[in-house]
Amino acid sequence: DQQVKQNSPSLSVQEGRISILNCDYTNSMFDYFLWYKKYPAEGPTFLISISSIKDKNEDGRFTVFLNKSAKHLSLHIVPSQPGDSAVYFCAASEGGTASKLTFGTGTRLQVTL
Amino acid sequence: AAGVIQSPRHLIKEKRETATLKCYPIPRHDTVYWYQQGPGQDPQFLISFYEKMQSDKGSIPDRFSAQQFSDYHSELNMSSLELGDSALYFCASSSMQEPRGETQYFGPGTRLLVL
Repeated sequence: DQQVKQNSPSLSVQEGRISILNCDYTNSMFDYFLWYKKYPAEGPTFLISISSIKDKNEDGRFTVFLNKSAKHLSLHIVPSQPGDSAVYFCAASEGGTASKLTFGTGTRLQVTL
Repeated sequence: AAGVIQSPRHLIKEKRETATLKCYPIPRHDTVYWYQQGPGQDPQFLISFYEKMQSDKGSIPDRFSAQQFSDYHSELNMSSLELGDSALYFCASSSMQEPRGETQYFGPGTRLLVL
């Protein structure tokens, strides 16, 4: 039972354009959401997070939007750069101390010149 | 800034052998998590520790055990290894004392290959 889903396994975007990565979840107990970037054979690198009490969080070129009623979140990268090419994982937790992360299946982003 | 350290980075074992993976969290982080990522899969939660006590347990086989020590480092012990245990094992750490305290920061992983 995949509680966090990323329905697009891959995405190709031109340099300078906006990249939009989507994530859906089914568990209504999730209240903290994160995006990680991952290169092969490396650990996930934290990008940005959002609490369920917010609907938007911005950090530089990265913005995460949360729609709780739709159980949907998205990561916007503007402008996209070639160095952004990686696998992006959406993750969610129920919050609290030592709460585990449930990951989505990942989206491979390729930013082309 | 200091990151999560994992050792060894690579490990090759035979079936039925044992393996010990080590994790050193970011300084002043009190919570450690272990995840397993199989080929082409997303990371799956195994177990977590807060202040040296087991906090949560996921799909961790009974052949595996883990603990967190007084210096907050953690070890994952894996016995009677099976071919299916071949995977990337990630450790992550966090601290509720920090802003964004629920954010987990991951180490580089240990790649385990069981032959």
